[in-house]
Amino acid sequence: GAVVSQHPSRVICKSGTSVKIECRSLDFQATTMFWYRQFPKQSLMLMATSNEGSKATYEQGVEKDKFLINHASLTLSTLTVTSAHPEDSSFYICSAIIVPMLGHGSYNSPLHFGNGTRLTVT
Amino acid sequence: GIQVEQSPPDLILQEGANSTLRCNFSDSVNNLQWFHQNPWGQLINLFYIPSGTKQNGRLSATTVATERYSLLYISSSQTTDSGVYFCAPLNQAGTALIFGKGTTLSVSS
Repeated sequence: GAVVSQHPSRVICKSGTSVKIECRSLDFQATTMFWYRQFPKQSLMLMATSNEGSKATYEQGVEKDKFLINHASLTLSTLTVTSAHPEDSSFYICSAIIVPMLGHGSYNSPLHFGNGTRLTVT
Repeated sequence: GIQVEQSPPDLILQEGANSTLRCNFSDSVNNLQWFHQNPWGQLINLFYIPSGTKQNGRLSATTVATERYSLLYISSSQTTDSGVYFCAPLNQAGTALIFGKGTTLSVSS
């Protein structure tokens, strides 16, 4: 089953509004989560690394005031696109390094992805 | 930073054919993952393979870390194999800092 849950899967918003995307780890602790952006027909680009209880680390060229990241618990990171513009329209994907909780087994691959959020700003 | 090259960029196959996808990386890496992105955008983990060979059904992967490349083999391809295949070298923290540009596979019946 899914290890990382991302919500919503699709959102359409008006220019100037803010949109929040949630990324949850299911049955596992995720002390570190990552946010990627993918334009059509292109590869994934790492935007930022989200660490539980501390400030996110942003990649060069990513505006931290525009893409607000909060990682307040071991199972939830949120990405808020503030004052969205049409050029922010994209596919946003989160991923997590999973640390198994006791009794919940283990996974071989440490990087698991949510199903993505397709944002359209009109 | 590390550079990643995937080849071929596009591949068209008839159902039942075999194929080999390649991923070259410019620097030593701690690990490497292969992913399949289906037409709905979902990323599916295929292999987590720092070196050697792993097999999972019709798919297998080989990473030769010393020569900085990894191969993904798809045998007896099916239409459901269509999509984009990405490789992503991982650093020590398990982060995929960069993805290859992917190989777009189209399998027709």
